[in-house]
Amino acid sequence: GAGVSQSPSNKVTEKGKDVELRCDPISGHTALYWYRQSLGQGLEFLIYFQGNSAPDKSGLPSDRFSAERTGGSVSTLTIQRTQQEDSAVYLCASSLVGTGEVKNIQYFGAGTRLSVL
Amino acid sequence: DQQVKQNSPSLSVQEGRISILNCDYTNSMFDYFLWYKKYPAEGPTFLISISSIKDKNEDGRFTVFLNKSAKHLSLHIVPSQPGDSAVYFCAGRGSQGNLIFGKGTKLSVKP
Repeated sequence: GAGVSQSPSNKVTEKGKDVELRCDPISGHTALYWYRQSLGQGLEFLIYFQGNSAPDKSGLPSDRFSAERTGGSVSTLTIQRTQQEDSAVYLCASSLVGTGEVKNIQYFGAGTRLSVL
Repeated sequence: DQQVKQNSPSLSVQEGRISILNCDYTNSMFDYFLWYKKYPAEGPTFLISISSIKDKNEDGRFTVFLNKSAKHLSLHIVPSQPGDSAVYFCAGRGSQGNLIFGKGTKLSVKP
């Protein structure tokens, strides 16, 4: 597609349930990032995939969060046993990789708004 | 520890005047700085960037200034238009390519 696609756009779940959020990056972009934005906060980095390298998971807030990227394209962010503090907008971005300004621009999807009741 | 700080949560400007959005950072290892604009219910969209080895970058109505000694950058919008009303995020690019964002400044441009 033309841009980064995320689904679902909205997700309401009950505390304790597992959720899966999907991201379809721009075709040809080898780097993929997950961020989240909690109410009144900035964008918080969660995880980064680059090609076939091991992902950088340094931003994941707990072991309830995991992500995978199949075939170097689509990524799924999974939150197990959701808690109310997980409520946020989860944003995915993709980019080319390399030196120079053109390569470092990240393009964002519209996000998934997760509400944990 | 906030590596990127946007100390003004909001800014109101009259149409046609200059908007100046400020950003401070603590991490000297950032190699690029980027500004993103975000409308409600949409993802952030890239606006303009600057390399850490430059002090100014201009693109149309948008200019970003970088003062490395003060660890400060600013985004100037001249002239401001009502369509510029959005939340503006400043970000520094870390060693892994991930962006570290500030909390954003909500700009309102009044007609």
